[in-house]
Amino acid sequence: QVQLVESGGGVVQPGRSLRLSCAASGFTFSSYAMHWVRPAPGKGLEWVAGISYDGNSKFYADSVKGRFTISRDNSRNTLNLQMNSLRAEDTAVYYCAREIAVAGTDRRLDYWGQGTLVTVS
Amino acid sequence: DIQMTQSPSSVSASVGDRVTIACRASQGISTWLAWYQQKPGKAPELLIYAASSLQSGVPSRFSGSGSGTDFTLTISGLQPEDFATYYCQQANSFPWTFGQGTKVEIK
Repeated sequence: QVQLVESGGGVVQPGRSLRLSCAASGFTFSSYAMHWVRPAPGKGLEWVAGISYDGNSKFYADSVKGRFTISRDNSRNTLNLQMNSLRAEDTAVYYCAREIAVAGTDRRLDYWGQGTLVTVS
Repeated sequence: DIQMTQSPSSVSASVGDRVTIACRASQGISTWLAWYQQKPGKAPELLIYAASSLQSGVPSRFSGSGSGTDFTLTISGLQPEDFATYYCQQANSFPWTFGQGTKVEIK
């Protein structure tokens, strides 16, 4: 069965860095694009970043561009999010999610981890 | 960026009721739209993709419709386990964006 397990969250001071990881199992990790999503206070969910199956394409929300870096290690079935210059507004539970896509038809996040909490204070 | 606007922000309903949630995109997104359900303390779960396709394992009381800029999620015959927050999300172009959520509460 598909499993996504996030780790690396914690309490960090503003301006510092933190690295999140997401360990994937139960599927061929190297065949799927992956994403990070977090709740945004008063705004519901916020998509943070996404990476293609091979790591060659990366996309970011404007709110984290230049501060966060998404990466993956397909040999270790791991997704990462390097978060630098953290701000209080980055405080959230961070979810990793698997994207399933059918060319020209749809793209969706079909499996989600349980999340890891990041507190910037 | 494409803005997604949901309405209402909350709705009070009873078990057995039919509930409809609207989602409007700030520009046309064809059917690149998904709906998710989230319960407190839990990760979101995919309900509907491609605007109207039911995700495997999701009860048939959930349905989606629409294309272009206007979409709806309908729950026909609300069940106790359906009280949650629902989000629409566009996957037409990056950055992907979610609606602000609609909380379905017990009347």
